[in-house]
Amino acid sequence: NAGVMQNPRHLVRRRGQEARLRCSPMKGHSHVYWYRQLPEEGLKFMVYLQKENIIDESGMPKERFSAEFPKEGPSILRIQQVVRGDSAAYFCASSPQQGYEQYFGPGTRLTVT
Amino acid sequence: QQPVQSPQAVILREGEDAVINCSSSKALYSVHWYRQKHGEAPVFLMILLKGGEQKGHEKISASFNEKKQQSSLYLTASQLSYSGTYFCGTESRNAGNMLTFGGGTRLMVKP
Repeated sequence: NAGVMQNPRHLVRRRGQEARLRCSPMKGHSHVYWYRQLPEEGLKFMVYLQKENIIDESGMPKERFSAEFPKEGPSILRIQQVVRGDSAAYFCASSPQQGYEQYFGPGTRLTVT
Repeated sequence: QQPVQSPQAVILREGEDAVINCSSSKALYSVHWYRQKHGEAPVFLMILLKGGEQKGHEKISASFNEKKQQSSLYLTASQLSYSGTYFCGTESRNAGNMLTFGGGTRLMVKP
């Protein structure tokens, strides 16, 4: 059973470009969470999705950031017009049901130059 | 508001014990513990759901005091592989499945 998969693992974007981060949950998991981690800091919740629905996006900036989890395919975190402050590691996690443990993917390290 | 972890950092000799604490100002539904090594993803250790629950996994165990809104992670006879940053993630009542993580405790085990 493959774990949570994220791609790309490393992404370099210039200021103003768009970044698309993909997350495929573990097989059988329908709950996906996105977190951001700055160097030497903890994980900050961004958004919680189930298939085709955003359940909680309270941790996601209102502008430039969006997330989706379509019926088919991976969950996508999209950052438009990236700025240097967006540079961070973005982790997604999945769980089989609400209230269960979350398993993390390897993360995407975004660098904005 | 994120839970508070203590200590922020600890250095151990192989074979020594350590306790990491996690305190929240909110009423908790569950506490999740993770270990993260530098440059890697957090790895799930255990989840505690009920007040007063204790769990163990080999030489790592944890307790959850719902009334005090606290959880502690116990590392006994530490091994070199225990080195990393430990995070608690708390789930508050009526907050869905959103986890709020503490700032982490850096643990270094030396030979």
